[in-house]
Amino acid sequence: NAGVTQTPKFRVLKTGQSMTLLCAQDMNHEYMYWYRQDPGMGLRLIHYSVGEGTTAKGEVPDGYNVSRLKKQNFLLGLESAAPSQTSVYFCASRGGAPRGRDSGANVLTFGAGSRLTVL
Amino acid sequence: AQKVTQAQTEISVVEKEDVTLDCVYETRDTTYYLFWYKQPPSGELVFLIRRNSFDEQNEISGRYSWNFQKSTSSFNFTITASQVVDSAVYFCALSEAHYTGANSKLTFGKGITLSVRP
Repeated sequence: NAGVTQTPKFRVLKTGQSMTLLCAQDMNHEYMYWYRQDPGMGLRLIHYSVGEGTTAKGEVPDGYNVSRLKKQNFLLGLESAAPSQTSVYFCASRGGAPRGRDSGANVLTFGAGSRLTVL
Repeated sequence: AQKVTQAQTEISVVEKEDVTLDCVYETRDTTYYLFWYKQPPSGELVFLIRRNSFDEQNEISGRYSWNFQKSTSSFNFTITASQVVDSAVYFCALSEAHYTGANSKLTFGKGITLSVRP
């Protein structure tokens, strides 16, 4: 009963370093998302994917890249970390819409979060 | 564009008090879904409830109740007889419906931090 698993849970980086956050889900969900959570800002969407091999920009995509090579995995990359990217990152997944139905009803399942600090 | 406003940022109550968390939304769609999530101090996000725009019945689950009013675009959450374990950040969220099966992004409010004191 793993659901959505994020690794690593904690990471400290120096400015300019690169890293990748991995999100894995075992629910065969079509849609996957990366959010960041900052104090007073709520959850903001960075990038999302509507299926294997697809990615799209969300609300705050700058400085991040993503890939969805396999349906179960959604990777978030920081090529050159900046202090402004210090945040808690959440991955989420959600089932796609059956033919003729809408996807809006489907509940997001979240991972436990990854706390990233950039010095 | 869709928007969710949680005007209250922090609420502090004493245990056993009732507390209402407000949520106001904006959308151009006639079909949409509203959600509440809870984030306890441990940090995970826990789904509480989903309501679709065609169902305005209030819902009660134990000490939790939700009041959905389309006329005022509000989806408020009330905790009756609050307990210390209710201390958390609560997020309201909105998802528009897309019958083509395309992705429906979830837009979150900024969250309300509820502190329940013994």
